[in-house]
Amino acid sequence: DAGVTQSPTHLIKTRGQQVTLRCSPKSGHDTVSWYQQALGQGPQFIFQYYEEEERQRGNFPDRFSGHQFPNYSSELNVNALLLGDSALYLCASSLGGRGLDGYTFGSGTRLTVV
Amino acid sequence: DAKTTQPPSMDCAEGRAANLPCNHSTISGNEYVYWYRQIHSQGPQYIIHGLKNNETNEMASLIITEDRKSSTLILPHATLRDTAVYYCTHSGTGNQFYFGTGTSLTVIP
Repeated sequence: DAGVTQSPTHLIKTRGQQVTLRCSPKSGHDTVSWYQQALGQGPQFIFQYYEEEERQRGNFPDRFSGHQFPNYSSELNVNALLLGDSALYLCASSLGGRGLDGYTFGSGTRLTVV
Repeated sequence: DAKTTQPPSMDCAEGRAANLPCNHSTISGNEYVYWYRQIHSQGPQYIIHGLKNNETNEMASLIITEDRKSSTLILPHATLRDTAVYYCTHSGTGNQFYFGTGTSLTVIP
């Protein structure tokens, strides 16, 4: 049973560019949450998607946007990249939104902005 | 925001029990306490969760105080593979988890 799959694993972008990260949730899960983890810090919540809608959002600017597809997979888009956007981006899936049985995280996409 | 407080680092001898404390004084009555761990360069891994009763699974035990303002994760027989950053969290007012900086546990041979 595949867990959460994220692509790509590593990415280097230039300031001002745009990036799209992808996530396939664990089989049977319908909710996807995205987190940003800077070096030495804990993951910070970006937003959550459920039933193809953004259900909740953390304290991130509008440059961060997302989408959920009918097959529950999700994309995270970041526009006008800043050096400070360099981080590990984690996708977590769960069932039914509240994730009462805990989230399953992917291994993340390491984004470096130069 | 939901806040948790954990010691930044701890050491534990291999084979001994590792007891990791967490304060979560802002937790409300219907929120679960969750513990995750993150091994270097991987995504966080779910360990255990509980509401008010103590819980045990194949990985760990969770002890929650009666007032629910703190909890302790117990790894009964720590191994070198348990070296990781351990996060205590709860869901706050919504569905997201708020992670602090966690406790870096080092298991010493």
